[in-house]
Amino acid sequence: GAVVSQHPSWVICKSGTSVKIECRSLDFQATTMFWYRQFPKQSLMLMATSNEGSKATYEQGVEKDKFLINHASLTLSTLTVTSAHPEDSSFYICSGVWGGEEPQHFGDGTRLSIL
Amino acid sequence: KNEVEQSPQNLTAQEGEFITINCSYSVGISALHWLQQHPGGGIVSLFMLSSGKKKHGRLIATINIQEKHSSLHITASHPRDSAVYICAVSGNQFYFGTGTSLTVIP
Repeated sequence: GAVVSQHPSWVICKSGTSVKIECRSLDFQATTMFWYRQFPKQSLMLMATSNEGSKATYEQGVEKDKFLINHASLTLSTLTVTSAHPEDSSFYICSGVWGGEEPQHFGDGTRLSIL
Repeated sequence: KNEVEQSPQNLTAQEGEFITINCSYSVGISALHWLQQHPGGGIVSLFMLSSGKKKHGRLIATINIQEKHSSLHITASHPRDSAVYICAVSGNQFYFGTGTSLTVIP
């Protein structure tokens, strides 16, 4: 089946650092990528939707200047958490889809811990 | 009130039992998704459906658009089915249920 590779899987860094998370679709072209955040024992929360070559659409309450999303190609999207703080510690997951009627294919997630 | 409600929140079953997880939603949708999240966090999309019924192995998903309700069934459950099952709906926005934590005991 379709594979989405997310990297890194685990990040620990100091407060104030910017962290970049990559999401690659390995065997399909992801016209749309989704970025999610999940806090412990809570469900997924959609942060933003990005279409290749366009600016990302952010969900209400998600700071676009803090969570920079780039989807420059059909196989790569990145999420950069700028000037990360402990409250940004969470599990971040991406997913890609190549058509409106197709299911999403998820990355394995990135555990971000800000000290 | 959440746009997507799942029940039960937690479920423990003996190996071999037939399992049903329910999902009700209150918004207009274009599709409903059933996702499986394993303890390590990885998520797999099990089904995406907009009408009727889909089957994949021991998993069956049904949806009733008029009643705004979907069910996920697992036949002959196995310990490896232990995971959190999440119902999500997509339309103008994505809405997620809070998940059903399933534990299948050998």
